[in-house]
Amino acid sequence: EAQVTQNPRYLITVTGKKLTVTCSQNMNHEYMSWYRQDPGLGLRQIYYSMNVEVTDKGDVPEGYKVSRKEKRNFPLILESPSPNQTSLYFCASKQEGYNSPLHFGNGTRLTVT
Amino acid sequence: DAKTTQPNSMESNEEEPVHLPCNHSTISGTDYIHWYRQLPSQGPEYVIHGLTSNVNNRMASLAIAEDRKSSTLILHRATLRDAAVYYCILRDSGVRGNEKLTFGTGTRLTIIP
Repeated sequence: EAQVTQNPRYLITVTGKKLTVTCSQNMNHEYMSWYRQDPGLGLRQIYYSMNVEVTDKGDVPEGYKVSRKEKRNFPLILESPSPNQTSLYFCASKQEGYNSPLHFGNGTRLTVT
Repeated sequence: DAKTTQPNSMESNEEEPVHLPCNHSTISGTDYIHWYRQLPSQGPEYVIHGLTSNVNNRMASLAIAEDRKSSTLILHRATLRDAAVYYCILRDSGVRGNEKLTFGTGTRLTIIP
């Protein structure tokens, strides 16, 4: 089944403890992206990647890192999480072609205390 | 980015058609109209998109006004599984590179059994 898989689904951590949220897609998509969703603010893009080894900042990149060493994986790294990064995170991917749809994972709910 | 305006919420009876409106009075000639929906506890999923002509697929129909300043997503026979937040999004086909989607707050559709 074609899908975007995120892990973990739920994560509770403490301020300053490095964490990684994994994202993997099995559709051979070149484009991948991370969003965060907060009440009243909708979904905001954090980082995106047009292809392997090509990443760039979205609208809210502060406090996050990403890497794209292989086409299928696009992990989101929080080197020193803070409470304002408590949010619902979504990974997405799409194939080439302007109007091809974005495929989203089921989300990772992160709580930083 | 051109903005869209949607009602915050709507209700509909099960097995009846649903018409979800979207206003986009500042739409440009290169903007495509995309619809996504987000079911509870899931990531957004693509529904349909169009430029000028009305569009149909297995999930829904998209009716676009002649002046393109508004559009309507039509669910022909709503089921309980259609209860979700529906997002109307404009994508500028003249922009290349980041395939970002700008999500607003959408319309929360409630289906009444």
